[in-house]
Amino acid sequence: ILNVEQSPQSLHVQEGDSTNFTCSFPSSNFYALHWYRWETAKSPEALFVMTLNGDEKKKGRISATLNTKEGYSYLYIKGSQPEDSATYLCALQEGGGNKLTFGTGTQLKVEL
Amino acid sequence: SQTIHQWPATLVQPVGSPLSLECTVEGTSNPNLYWYRQAAGRGLQLLFYSVGIGQISSEVPQNLSASRPQDRQFILSSKKLLLSDSGFYLCAWSLGLAADTQYFGPGTRLTVL
Repeated sequence: ILNVEQSPQSLHVQEGDSTNFTCSFPSSNFYALHWYRWETAKSPEALFVMTLNGDEKKKGRISATLNTKEGYSYLYIKGSQPEDSATYLCALQEGGGNKLTFGTGTQLKVEL
Repeated sequence: SQTIHQWPATLVQPVGSPLSLECTVEGTSNPNLYWYRQAAGRGLQLLFYSVGIGQISSEVPQNLSASRPQDRQFILSSKKLLLSDSGFYLCAWSLGLAADTQYFGPGTRLTVL
């Protein structure tokens, strides 16, 4: 059974703070790492798909890095806003197959 | 543009009753289709996926089944629900490409009493 772990489990920050979370995964048979944002009462929304060691992706104030050799990815949010409040999920795609194994997520709450 | 629909949005069913959840995708052809479940306090777990009509792969042994009677229709079923089947069920589709983004539907909240 694949073990995709995310930390912290939950996080409370103040508006304007920058924050980051971690996704750890087994590095053997790595193919891609996906990040999703899941807001309450909405569907999970794709943020990034990362495939290469050292990859960095950016979308507005959100960015992500990937280290496939040591098996981790970081998601960064710069200048958090209340609308960033959501659960952030990472998912591992192995060996060219289409299946994703999800972590349990990091629940972010941005307070005014 | 592509859209994905799921229904019903919420469902309350007694133990032992049957289940049928439906998912349809519009705006694309021959998508890969997926059923996930999120049980209370747990992450998204892949239940079934399909790469074409009539082709179903099961990931987790359970009393659920899936069918794909049409290219863009994916159905999750059970003959007799268990309490442990309660959860949030999400359908997703993808293009079937390498490093493939999956796009999720609005989900169904199932409560088995």
